[in-house]
Amino acid sequence: GENVEQHPSTLSVQEGDSAVIKCTYSDSASNYFPWYKQELGKRPQLIIDIRSNVGEKKDQRIAVTLNKTAKHFSLHITETQPEDSAVYFCAASLNNDMRFGAGTRLTVKP
Amino acid sequence: SQTIHQWPATLVQPVGSPLSLECTVEGTSNPNLYWYRQAAGRGLQLLFYSIGIDQISSEVPQNLSASRPQDRQFILSSKKLLLSDSGFYLCAWSPGGGGANVLTFGAGSRLTVL
Repeated sequence: GENVEQHPSTLSVQEGDSAVIKCTYSDSASNYFPWYKQELGKRPQLIIDIRSNVGEKKDQRIAVTLNKTAKHFSLHITETQPEDSAVYFCAASLNNDMRFGAGTRLTVKP
Repeated sequence: SQTIHQWPATLVQPVGSPLSLECTVEGTSNPNLYWYRQAAGRGLQLLFYSIGIDQISSEVPQNLSASRPQDRQFILSSKKLLLSDSGFYLCAWSPGGGGANVLTFGAGSRLTVL
């Protein structure tokens, strides 16, 4: 099955700086790559996603890039704010099978 | 609009006792249904997913089982809990019909096995 690796496991940035989280996947047939944000004790919430026919997608301060050849995708958060502090998960999906990375704990220091 | 309900929200059970977690989805038909487990401070481990009644894929061999008695109902069970079963269990759904779709999670069930 699909295997998703995510780095780094923890990330600390100063408010206003950018944060980048990277993921790799193993199954070249995977075609959907969402990113989820999970605040402490709560359910993961989708923040952005990208499909395999697109290389980049942006939504305000959040962007995701996908390199299908290298089988990796990244989340970019610009102008970070304290409320961006959370655990972020990447995932890769082929049809109905969605696998998640181990998560990145992002801390934004005011 | 679609909603997903999961219960109980918290559960404390002794080792060796049975388990039943329930999940239902409203406002859609023939959804794909999932159970994930999240150990403390860890990632999301896929346990089971189902694309229809009587179509359940098991990803991790262990003492848990899943059933889908109705189209929009997904149940996670165990006959005898282990200490290692403690964790945050998340039910999720996505639109059926093939292809990759957005996954929406329930609020989760926090299980502590003592």
